[in-house]
Amino acid sequence: DAGITQSPRHKVTETGTPVTLRCHQTENHRYMYWYRQDPGHGLRLIHYSYGVKDTDKGEVSDGYSVSRSKTEDFLLTLESATSSQTSVYFCATANSGRAGELFFGEGSRLTVL
Amino acid sequence: AQSVTQLGSHVSVSEGALVLLRCNYSSSVPPYLFWYVQYPNQGLQLLLKYTSAATLVKGINGFEAEFKKSETSFHLTKPSAHMSDAAEYFCAVSGITAGNQFYFGTGTSLTVIP
Repeated sequence: DAGITQSPRHKVTETGTPVTLRCHQTENHRYMYWYRQDPGHGLRLIHYSYGVKDTDKGEVSDGYSVSRSKTEDFLLTLESATSSQTSVYFCATANSGRAGELFFGEGSRLTVL
Repeated sequence: AQSVTQLGSHVSVSEGALVLLRCNYSSSVPPYLFWYVQYPNQGLQLLLKYTSAATLVKGINGFEAEFKKSETSFHLTKPSAHMSDAAEYFCAVSGITAGNQFYFGTGTSLTVIP
């Protein structure tokens, strides 16, 4: 298994506060992704990275920003959390682009009150 | 526009019966197609993938899927369901945009009845 760890695994916060979720990988994979999982919506892509300092938006990027200063770390930031951002967030990595396998972390459950 | 459509958010089968989970894709270019499984409180794991080689793809745990271009489908099957197959299943597609994005369907929850 690819070593992917997400932190924190659980977080409760209040509307309007900033939140940062961290994804750390030990596999030296080039590509990293942030998804959110919600009932009835499956997984939706928030942002992804195709290299250090190279990122792009996904389907549901509004209200989220990302940064990747090192190969192993991909940060997802909610500048001002809203209740609609209550979700389970998954980080994934891949080494071989569009034809390759995604490796997933165990998820971070965020509740915004 | 939805790139991947999974028909049936919940499927129930008896233990030993055929499992059929449906996935249709929308793409004007040849896609790469995947099935992932998610067990409770875990991340997703790859079951199998189609990358333009054989149209019938075999995966782990006895699952297989057939790519049918004429029907734009990639349905997942297993001849005989086991209790341990109970999980959420996701169909995914890539290669339909310029980047390396992967798009997922809304998922199908499989229940296996003893």
